[in-house]
Amino acid sequence: SQTIHQWPATLVQPVGSPLSLECTVEGTSNPNLYWYRQAAGRGLQLLFYSIGIDQISSEVPQNLSASRPQDRQFILSSKKLLLSDSGFYLCAWSIEGDEQYFGPGTRLTVT
Amino acid sequence: RKEVEQDPGPFNVPEGATVAFNCTYSNSASQSFFWYRQDCRKEPKLLMSVYSSGNEDGRFTAQLNRASQYISLLIRDSKLSDSATYLCVVNGDSSASKIIFGSGTRLSIRP
Repeated sequence: SQTIHQWPATLVQPVGSPLSLECTVEGTSNPNLYWYRQAAGRGLQLLFYSIGIDQISSEVPQNLSASRPQDRQFILSSKKLLLSDSGFYLCAWSIEGDEQYFGPGTRLTVT
Repeated sequence: RKEVEQDPGPFNVPEGATVAFNCTYSNSASQSFFWYRQDCRKEPKLLMSVYSSGNEDGRFTAQLNRASQYISLLIRDSKLSDSATYLCVVNGDSSASKIIFGSGTRLSIRP
């Protein structure tokens, strides 16, 4: 069966520091991968999606970037965090445009 | 008009009651539809897909009305454990970029 992992679970980082969040999927090949952010009490905002290795599409211009160095690995990065980057970051996978399955998320607080 | 719109609630209903939510979408070409459940500070989890013919899973029934562009979720005999936020998801086409999440409807079941 398929599983999706995200780490770390929680993170507190100062403004201006770098960020690296990792997501890995097991049990499937060539999934679509997604990064979402959910601000407190708000809906999910799609940040990036990827249909294959090194194929990344950005949905929202910002100081974040994403990379997919391997088929089942998706990384979200920032060189300098802003206060507004605080939120709940969720990685998800799907096969084509079908149902999405989410990882447990990373709760990021930028101080 | 938002692409996917939900009543944010909260809906506060007694245990055992029947409750229904609607979700409207603006893209008439949308192809697939889902309901997710999100518990507080957790990731969204797929509750059910919504098929053109409607579908039922135990106490949960989902329906699609293409003419009026909405989907609905009905919960019968509600349990305390049904308390959560319910997210409506619409896929505009088969591409990864057209998956839109609603902001969610909060449901609280009281004893």
